[in-house]
Amino acid sequence: DGGITQSPKYLFRKEGQNVTLSCEQNLNHDAMYWYRQDPGQGLRLIYYSQIVNDFQKGDIAEGYSVSREKKESFPLTVTSAQKNPTAFYLCASSIGFSGTGEPQHFGDGTRLSIL
Amino acid sequence: AQTVTQSQPEMSVQEAETVTLSCTYDTSESDYYLFWYKQPPSRQMILVIRQEAYKQQNATENRFSVNFQKAAKSFSLKISDSQLGDAAMYFCAYRRAFGNEKLTFGTGTRLTIIP
Repeated sequence: DGGITQSPKYLFRKEGQNVTLSCEQNLNHDAMYWYRQDPGQGLRLIYYSQIVNDFQKGDIAEGYSVSREKKESFPLTVTSAQKNPTAFYLCASSIGFSGTGEPQHFGDGTRLSIL
Repeated sequence: AQTVTQSQPEMSVQEAETVTLSCTYDTSESDYYLFWYKQPPSRQMILVIRQEAYKQQNATENRFSVNFQKAAKSFSLKISDSQLGDAAMYFCAYRRAFGNEKLTFGTGTRLTIIP
């Protein structure tokens, strides 16, 4: 079955450490997204990529970095510059530029906590 | 910039009854898509229903239906015959019809089903 796989499910970061969250999709989607979810808030867009080797900042990109070297993969790095990284992170993908209203598909998320 | 507002942080309904969740949005565009996503305790994001702005007919998916009022920029979700499995966070989301497919989310409504 096609879908989006996020790993790990739980992740702990020490002070001053960079950590990378994995997101892989086998839906043959061009577009991929990273969202952050905090309690009492909706999902906020961190970064998105519409095509391989291209990505754009979302609403809260500071302290994060991404790469898109392969269509299937869109890893998110939470850098030490992100002072409040504790949150639930969701990866999503969509067909991209379809104009058909196809919805985004989501992974099961990664919970990141500070040690 | 587009904004999505969900003014009900929490709602509750008796099992088998009907409940309506509210959502309003702000946009200057005439073509767009609106979505309701459900997030149960497992934290997985599940698409409930989708509405195309150019369609006057309200979308329906089994027990779920929407009341889409384009002029008022309102997009409410009605859940009929509520079931225990409907208990979740519900998020309203907006997407432009063309260009990139990134979503703008509301802050969510937590729905509790009372047995």
